[in-house]
Amino acid sequence: GQSLEQPSEVTAVEGAIVQINCTYQTSGFYGLSWYQQHDGGAPTFLSYNGLDGLEETGRFSSFLSRSDSYGYLLLQELQMKDSASYFCAVRPWGRYGGATNKLIFGTGTLLAVQP
Amino acid sequence: GAVVSQHPSWVICKSGTSVKIECRSLDFQATTMFWYRQFPKQSLMLMATSNEGSKATYEQGVEKDKFLINHASLTLSTLTVTSAHPEDSSFYICSAPRVSSTDTQYFGPGTRLTVL
Repeated sequence: GQSLEQPSEVTAVEGAIVQINCTYQTSGFYGLSWYQQHDGGAPTFLSYNGLDGLEETGRFSSFLSRSDSYGYLLLQELQMKDSASYFCAVRPWGRYGGATNKLIFGTGTLLAVQP
Repeated sequence: GAVVSQHPSWVICKSGTSVKIECRSLDFQATTMFWYRQFPKQSLMLMATSNEGSKATYEQGVEKDKFLINHASLTLSTLTVTSAHPEDSSFYICSAPRVSSTDTQYFGPGTRLTVL
C-alpha cells in the first residue's frame, strides 16, 4: 500500500521561502508529483520527480530521495496567491509491474501566506 | 484552457435519489479516467479507475454497486451515485492522464454533491 504524510498546515510571509515535506511508506512507485489546489478548485500540476534529485520550475522546486523515503516542495518568493493546499502524490506500480496512471495523494498541506 | 470538463459543477438532491456526474476530455482521447472523492479539508481519495470498453476498477472499500462508472467513449466517463445519502455529500473530481514525460494528470473542475 501507499502512505504519504505531510504537515497539515504551514504559515509563511510574502517573499519568504517555504518547504513542504512529504514522507512516505510505499511498496514502490514510478514518480512523485506535487499538486496545488485552491479552495473549491481542481488540483493543478506543479512539479514531478521521476529520479532522485532536484527539479526546478520557476518559483517552485521539488526534491526526491528514494533512499530516505522523502520528498519536498520548495516555494520561493511567496505570493499571497500561493495560499492553497499542496499535495504530494505517487504513481504506484501496477500488479504486473508496469506503472499505473492513477495517483495516490498525500495527506495535504494547507499553506497560508501572510502579508 | 480546460482540457477536462465535469458536469454538473454542483448538485443538490434528496436522500435516496441517484445522481449522474459526467467527465469529458475536451481535446484528447482518454482510455482511462479516474474518479476521486474529497471531503472538506481532506485529501483526494481515489475511488476507481474508469476503463473505456471494460469494467471499472474500484479501490478497496469503495462500493461498486453504489458508485456506478461507465466509460461510454474515449472522451466520456460517468459516475452515478445511486441511492445517495447525506454521507455521500462530497466533492467528486475526475482526472485523465496525458502521455508525457511527467506525471501530469488533468483534473476536471469537480462536482460538489450535497445530499439532503
